[in-house]
Amino acid sequence: LAKTTQPISMDSYEGQEVNITCSHNNIATNDYITWYQQFPSQGPRFIIQGYKTKVTNEVASLFIPADRKSSTLSLPRVSLSDTAVYYCLVGRRYSSASKIIFGSGTRLSIRP
Amino acid sequence: EPEVTQTPSHQVTQMGQEVILRCVPISNHLYFYWYRQILGQKVEFLVSFYNNEISEKSEIFDDQFSVERPDGSNFTLKIRSTKLEDSAMYFCASRGTSGSGYEQYFGPGTRLTVT
Repeated sequence: LAKTTQPISMDSYEGQEVNITCSHNNIATNDYITWYQQFPSQGPRFIIQGYKTKVTNEVASLFIPADRKSSTLSLPRVSLSDTAVYYCLVGRRYSSASKIIFGSGTRLSIRP
Repeated sequence: EPEVTQTPSHQVTQMGQEVILRCVPISNHLYFYWYRQILGQKVEFLVSFYNNEISEKSEIFDDQFSVERPDGSNFTLKIRSTKLEDSAMYFCASRGTSGSGYEQYFGPGTRLTVT
């Protein structure tokens, strides 16, 4: 797994758009970028995955520039319930074992 | 929407006792995992399981730990002789064969408290 760097914590307010950036300078050609969300006392939850450009689903958007050395998870119009830890992962999409090595993630706090 | 379930939600046990944590993965998934998270720390990989055998295990997964898929639906983690430091949230996860290896579905966890 490529090493990733993301902010330890972020604060925002309800209704704002939140962008969490993850750096992965050593990303390999076959690596995909995956984001997970973890609410307090719950299991991690897969949010989104992408390889390049932009991916969007009902939860978030993922922006990946052409050099793929970073990625940005974008949460539109956050609410209090988006308070969670967000993890950025980089690794081969079809690795046979696919154990996930979680880092410390970004602790996002949303205020009223 | 299918989901991974785990029982019990909370288990309290005395040091030295055996515990079995149970998981029901999503029905058509074939890869299974156990992770744990000590309070305030990172989520840690314990073991992965595929085709009725362990695919990979971490250093944490020593001889005190074992996993089993006793039937077509359950996946269990056994700790033979619990220690105080085994107190943690234990998460089961599963994934299908068609999706990404990193698209895993986690259960709600079992909080294990060893006294």
